[in-house]
Amino acid sequence: ELKVEQNPLFLSMQEGKNYTIYCNYSTTSDRLYWYRQDPGKSLESLFVLLSNGAVKQEGRLMASLDTKARLSTLHITAAVHDLSATYFCAVVIAGSARQLTFGSGTQLTVLP
Amino acid sequence: NAGVMQNPRHLVRRRGQEARLRCSPMKGHSHVYWYRQLPEEGLKFMVYLQKENIIDESGMPKERFSAEFPKEGPSILRIQQVVRGDSAAYFCASSPVSSYNSPLHFGNGTRLTVT
Repeated sequence: ELKVEQNPLFLSMQEGKNYTIYCNYSTTSDRLYWYRQDPGKSLESLFVLLSNGAVKQEGRLMASLDTKARLSTLHITAAVHDLSATYFCAVVIAGSARQLTFGSGTQLTVLP
Repeated sequence: NAGVMQNPRHLVRRRGQEARLRCSPMKGHSHVYWYRQLPEEGLKFMVYLQKENIIDESGMPKERFSAEFPKEGPSILRIQQVVRGDSAAYFCASSPVSSYNSPLHFGNGTRLTVT
């Protein structure tokens, strides 16, 4: 059974600071996704990471994937209040159709 | 281009009643997925459907839950004889046939409350 663990689960940070969210998974996977969810809303796709060493950046967020370590990171640079949300990583078991296994999420609060 | 449409947004049912949740995928998408999110948790996979076929229902509870995606009309997630533990947000997602690696597109969810 695929397990996906995120840490930290809760993160409060000051505006302007940097931080990293970690996503570990337990079995071989060839695709990893990062989503953002605002309270009461749906999930917004941020990044799709398809290969070992993949790095993608959008604004203040950068995601990377190390398939050998079964680890993905979401790095936040110079945080701003608008980044406050819950961030989920989701992994697809290698060889499966499209079943995503989600982590528990990291609830990020950026303080002024 | 309309996104994934789910209705209703909020649904309140008494214990023992039936809940029907609807999902219309994005235009051109023929694959539908249902996920359940309990408070403070990530989404849990329930079922994956294509038109008129259930592809993977490994995440569906064995009793009271069923899903369909008919040739015409939306996908329906049906919960019979609801219990308080069914209270959750239910999200539908869709994808096109050919985009194996693209992200799923999620609807806004239906928040089910069982009283």
